[in-house]
Amino acid sequence: DAGVIQSPRHEVTEMGQEVTLRCKPISGHNSLFWYRQTMMRGLELLIYFNNNVPIDDSGMPEDRFSAKMPNASFSTLKIQPSEPRDSAVYFCASKASRNSYEQYFGPGTRLTVT
Amino acid sequence: SQKIEQNSEALNIQEGKTATLTCNYTNYSPAYLQWYRQDPGRGPVFLLLIRENEKEKRKERLKVTFDTTLKQSLFHITASQPADSATYLCAGGIAGNMLTFGGGTRLMVKP
Repeated sequence: DAGVIQSPRHEVTEMGQEVTLRCKPISGHNSLFWYRQTMMRGLELLIYFNNNVPIDDSGMPEDRFSAKMPNASFSTLKIQPSEPRDSAVYFCASKASRNSYEQYFGPGTRLTVT
Repeated sequence: SQKIEQNSEALNIQEGKTATLTCNYTNYSPAYLQWYRQDPGRGPVFLLLIRENEKEKRKERLKVTFDTTLKQSLFHITASQPADSATYLCAGGIAGNMLTFGGGTRLMVKP
């Protein structure tokens, strides 16, 4: 298995632009998580899905952030408009089922907003 | 709010010694704790899980403990090697899904 796939690996954009991050979870996994990691705040959960349905988005910073999971093999995290404080590494993770525990992380997308 | 705290200072040890990392939790009672390893530029990788009713768990050179009285987990790497150098993250969970991560402790094992 290729593991969790994220694209792009690096993104540099200007303040005010729309940014879309993409994730392909491990085939057969039905829980998907989006995290953000910064030096100051560590690894923070933004939102998670079970069976493509958003379950908890309380970690989404504000309305500029939105996430979708149109099918079991694809999810997007969108920031519109982006701001310099959104600069971070964004990770997608998946796990096999609601009752399993181990999360498998992707390589992350390093976002820089200038 | 629920918090997982780890020593933010790097831990430097000599090869062959046992590394011990600490994880403390406050304002909640996680049903389980997980430990992940993160290398620079990569995503975290799961290492071990321990449930609140388990005192200790082992996997090869790794050992983790869970003390609900002290609200603490200890993570040990015995016979440490330079290849063990990485950041180690502790995470607490209540149900089967959401994890709260600590800030991580960087371990440096010197040859």
